[in-house]
Amino acid sequence: SYELTQPPSVSVSPGQTANITCSGDKLGDKYACWYQQKPGQSPVLVIYQDIKRPSGIPERFSGSNSGNTATLTISGTQALDEADYYCQAWDSSVVFGGGTKLTVL
Amino acid sequence: EVQLVESGGGLVQPGGSLRLSCAASGFTFSNYWMSWVRQAPGKGLEWVANIKQDGSEKYYVDSVKGRFTISRDNAKNSLYLQMNSLRAEDTAVYYCGREFDSRGYGEFDYWGQGTLVTVSS
Repeated sequence: SYELTQPPSVSVSPGQTANITCSGDKLGDKYACWYQQKPGQSPVLVIYQDIKRPSGIPERFSGSNSGNTATLTISGTQALDEADYYCQAWDSSVVFGGGTKLTVL
Repeated sequence: EVQLVESGGGLVQPGGSLRLSCAASGFTFSNYWMSWVRQAPGKGLEWVANIKQDGSEKYYVDSVKGRFTISRDNAKNSLYLQMNSLRAEDTAVYYCGREFDSRGYGEFDYWGQGTLVTVSS
C-alpha cells in the first residue's frame, strides 16, 4: 500500500519560514493537499491540488510538489500557525501522512 | 453555510455494533463524494471509507473491509457508517468529510466536528 512520510516535528521562530515535507513514491505525479489541525478541533484544508489555497486561507501558506516530495511552506510564521499538519494524496485509495507537529518558538 | 454534523458515537463492547450518522446541510449533498475519516486518541488521521455521489461506488481501508459499511441517503442529506465486529483498535473520533475532488480522491474541504467511538469492555 502507498505510504506518505512526514517528519514528526518541525520547529520555527516567529516570522521565519517553515517547510514541512511529505514524501512518497512518485508523489509529484499525483495531487497532494495539506490540512491543519489544532488541538481539539477538526482538520482544515489549507492547500489543495498541490499549490491552491482555499478561500480564507492566508497567503503565507503555499505548496509545491515535485519528484517524490510535496512541501507545505508557511512564510512569516505566526504563533497561531502552531498545529499538526497532515499531507494527503490518492493512490488507489485516500492516503494520509503521519502528521507533523509544527512548534513556533 | 456548509455544515456536517456527526452523531451515533459512544461506548461499545468488543464485537459489538454501532451506526454513525452525518447530517449535511448548506450544499447539494448529492453532488459530492463523501468520506469517513478517523483519528485514534493522540494519533494521526486515517481514511476509513468513501462513497460516490449516487452510492454506486464504495471503497474501504483494508482494516475495516467486511466489518464496516458506508451508505448514504441523498433524499435525507445523510451519510452513514455501519460498524460491526468492533475492535479496541477502532476506538477513535470519526469525522465525516466532503470531498472537494469530484473523482473520489479526497481533498476534504469541509469536516464535521467528529463523534467519539470507544470500544472497550
